[in-house]
Amino acid sequence: DAGITQSPRHKVTETGTPVTLRCHQTENHRYMYWYRQDPGHGLRLIHYSYGVKDTDKGEVSDGYSVSRSKTEDFLLTLESATSSQTSVYFCATSLQVSSYEQYFGPGTRLTVT
Amino acid sequence: ELKVEQNPLFLSMQEGKNYTIYCNYSTTSDRLYWYRQDPGKSLESLFVLLSNGAVKQEGRLMASLDTKARLSTLHITAAVHDLSATYFCAVDIVSVQKLVFGQGTRLTINP
Repeated sequence: DAGITQSPRHKVTETGTPVTLRCHQTENHRYMYWYRQDPGHGLRLIHYSYGVKDTDKGEVSDGYSVSRSKTEDFLLTLESATSSQTSVYFCATSLQVSSYEQYFGPGTRLTVT
Repeated sequence: ELKVEQNPLFLSMQEGKNYTIYCNYSTTSDRLYWYRQDPGKSLESLFVLLSNGAVKQEGRLMASLDTKARLSTLHITAAVHDLSATYFCAVDIVSVQKLVFGQGTRLTINP
């Protein structure tokens, strides 16, 4: 267990509003990831970070931005939420010493109405 | 582009039976990961396979990796209801430090 928490765990918001999801880890892992999970699509990578202030896009990054100002926190922002961003969002971390094994947070269920 | 394909995507089986989930991937990689996800829950790491021929077992689950065939299998022996879950395989891309996940296999084990 990599000590990963996500907040909020559930959120309902309206179309057009900004939303920020937070991922916090206590294991000092260098790498952090944001995924979304939707029925029929499995897990899709949104953005990832390979260090403080170092981030890169994943396969479904449009409409999302991220920031990492501290090792332990990785924020995902939906600048203007749309109904297509209704999903379950998972944060993951990885130490990447001998493998790229990732440890997942509990998830955030986001509904955009 | 690395693609990871699992089959079957849905599997319903009876307790006590044996079955295998297959994970194929499209480009060279020496490392493969299996995860389990219970309904409404997060992903839990099951196995990390780090080289060709690697085999790992935990209880009724056994995972193996054949990097030459670009294939991993997750074998279930004498299935029990508690193993009902969705199982994901993932392959890593060394150059960009990330994993690519398969679509997941939803396994239902009926008493």
